[in-house]
Amino acid sequence: GAVVSQHPSRVICKSGTSVKIECRSLDFQATTMFWYRQFPKQSLMLMATSNEGSKATYEQGVEKDKFLINHASLTLSTLTVTSAHPEDSSFYICQIAGGKETQYFGPGTRLLVL
Amino acid sequence: AQSVTQPDIHITVSEGASLELRCNYSYGATPYLFWYVQSPGQGLQLLLKYFSGDTLVQGIKGFEAEFKRSQSSFNLRKPSVHWSDAAEYFCAVGAYYNQGGKLIFGQGTELSVKP
Repeated sequence: GAVVSQHPSRVICKSGTSVKIECRSLDFQATTMFWYRQFPKQSLMLMATSNEGSKATYEQGVEKDKFLINHASLTLSTLTVTSAHPEDSSFYICQIAGGKETQYFGPGTRLLVL
Repeated sequence: AQSVTQPDIHITVSEGASLELRCNYSYGATPYLFWYVQSPGQGLQLLLKYFSGDTLVQGIKGFEAEFKRSQSSFNLRKPSVHWSDAAEYFCAVGAYYNQGGKLIFGQGTELSVKP
């Protein structure tokens, strides 16, 4: 199956700074990637759908200007948390839709905003 | 609306005992169903999945799940639990029709195993 990497795996930043998280598909060309957020002791909630070469689609309640998504190539999608605040501290996971029978998840990025 | 419900937030079982984690879904089309396990601070590991065919699905680590369309359920089972099974378990339904394949997750069930 496809291998998905995320970088960084863990990041600590100061409040007000921006953080970029990369999701790479190492051996699969993905026209669509998904970004999820998981708060402690909670489930994964879809934030947005990243489409290669076009604008991302955001779920209701997710601020598109705060969570910038760029899907510039078939193997890379980035999520930038702009002006991060402590409430943005979470576990961010990307998913590649490899077809109906295949789902590939990245290992996740843990963000802590101080 | 599409949704997944895991009624049990936390379950504790004794090591060696059998396990059943409940999952109910609401989806307007043929469901593609998944069970994932997550250890603390880790990513997701796929246990098993159902798309069609035999309604009893075998997965890794001795887990199985049964799809019951009439009950809109996809419960996860294991005949004998090991201490290493303690983790968070998520049921999910794949939304493929016009939605590209995103997954809708249940709230999760935390499994504790007592010696």
